[in-house]
Amino acid sequence: QKEVEQDPGPLSVPEGAIVSLNCTYSNSAFQYFMWYRQYSRKGPELLMYTYSSGNKEDGRFTAQVDKSSKYISLFIRDSQPSDSATYLCAMSFYGQNFVFGPGTRLSVLP
Amino acid sequence: GAVVSQHPSWVICKSGTSVKIECRSLDFQATTMFWYRQFPKQSLMLMATSNEGSKATYEQGVEKDKFLINHASLTLSTLTVTSAHPEDSSFYICSAPRGTAGYEQYFGPGTRLTVT
Repeated sequence: QKEVEQDPGPLSVPEGAIVSLNCTYSNSAFQYFMWYRQYSRKGPELLMYTYSSGNKEDGRFTAQVDKSSKYISLFIRDSQPSDSATYLCAMSFYGQNFVFGPGTRLSVLP
Repeated sequence: GAVVSQHPSWVICKSGTSVKIECRSLDFQATTMFWYRQFPKQSLMLMATSNEGSKATYEQGVEKDKFLINHASLTLSTLTVTSAHPEDSSFYICSAPRGTAGYEQYFGPGTRLTVT
């Protein structure tokens, strides 16, 4: 079993749709959970981070962490074509030992 | 947000030559930096952890004599690919954590290396 699993997609949605991106993990020691957005041929950009379980909202983005299920999600509301990118989940403990998911490719169609 | 830069953004070199890639944290100090490699449509693969003032820590399977890392200052780490071969062609990305917990990890824009 991989340490972090993520559906690679591609995921295609129409503009304005709500997008749900998910990751599961196996190591219960993870405490910090992050979502990155990576455009083609660019470095990943930190979108959101959360500590432990709970929700966090930032504009159109909402991150959820369910440590009991070892499951994290990123929701994008009112998706835009500019949201088309690869989304990577990442997690760590004590800010060390970052582990990345393989990424989900998202296409938002105008 | 924090800015991490990389230079060059892309480089083409001949097989057998060496290439140096620089990673700089522009507005914060980083005692640790990470080097990743990414193949097309694949996730980031951690190669090594660069530590200011000490030796780098390499991940299993990464040849430390081939991928030389030097963390010369609190804002600069370099990765030198020695005796490059076509199979070393990839996208190399550095990152630096910021904050007390270090979970705010900021990435550079990446360097695309093509070895002919």
